[in-house]
Amino acid sequence: DFVMTQSPDSLAVSLGERATINCRSSQSVLNSLNNKNYLVWYQQKPGQPPNVLIYWASTRESGVPDRFSGSGSGTHFTLTISSLQAEDVAVYYCQQYFSTPYTFGQGTKLEIK
Amino acid sequence: QVSLKESGPALVKSTQTLTLTCTFSGFSLSTSGMRVSWIRQPPGKALEWLARIDWDGERFYSTSLKTRLTISKDTSKNQVVLTMTNMDPVDTATYYCARHAHDYSNFYNWFDPWGQGTLVTVSS
Repeated sequence: DFVMTQSPDSLAVSLGERATINCRSSQSVLNSLNNKNYLVWYQQKPGQPPNVLIYWASTRESGVPDRFSGSGSGTHFTLTISSLQAEDVAVYYCQQYFSTPYTFGQGTKLEIK
Repeated sequence: QVSLKESGPALVKSTQTLTLTCTFSGFSLSTSGMRVSWIRQPPGKALEWLARIDWDGERFYSTSLKTRLTISKDTSKNQVVLTMTNMDPVDTATYYCARHAHDYSNFYNWFDPWGQGTLVTVSS
């Protein structure tokens, strides 16, 4: 199984500052046939199911603010929030969908400093 | 509009079998390529994918839980059912069903949308 490891486990950032969350996969999630990384980022707010932010590692979901961006390839990925807003307080998860069983990172809790 | 809703017992006892039902609307599981998964989340902990069923009946399971899980579908009722045997307190979690994302005729393996989830508590 692919093991997904996020860092840090928690993060406190001031409003308007940049937040960076990392995700590492134990195996590459890059498909060489189509040059796509099979990685998605979700945001989960308390009491709610997760919502898709970014798929194919860097494609922003429709309606997601452009302060959210994804980067990386192969085994190392990053979710960046360029200017933290109060409504961004949440837990963020990465998930690989390269193969079953699908696996998630342990989550990164983002708070306001 | 696509929606999914999980239902089942809120409380089960150790060793019992859990049966959860996902009732959905806005799509059909008979559509070629369509997929539905179950995912769970223990309180305060991470998400864990459990199982997937496809439009053609193909099934996929979590490596660690596959001996305890069965996923099935009733296309006429727009339902997907998950059974988990030999429940234990560590199985206490919110259980979500989710459709796999798709656009037009392309289907993907991230989850969108999700149901609101149902909390299942296992007592010893």
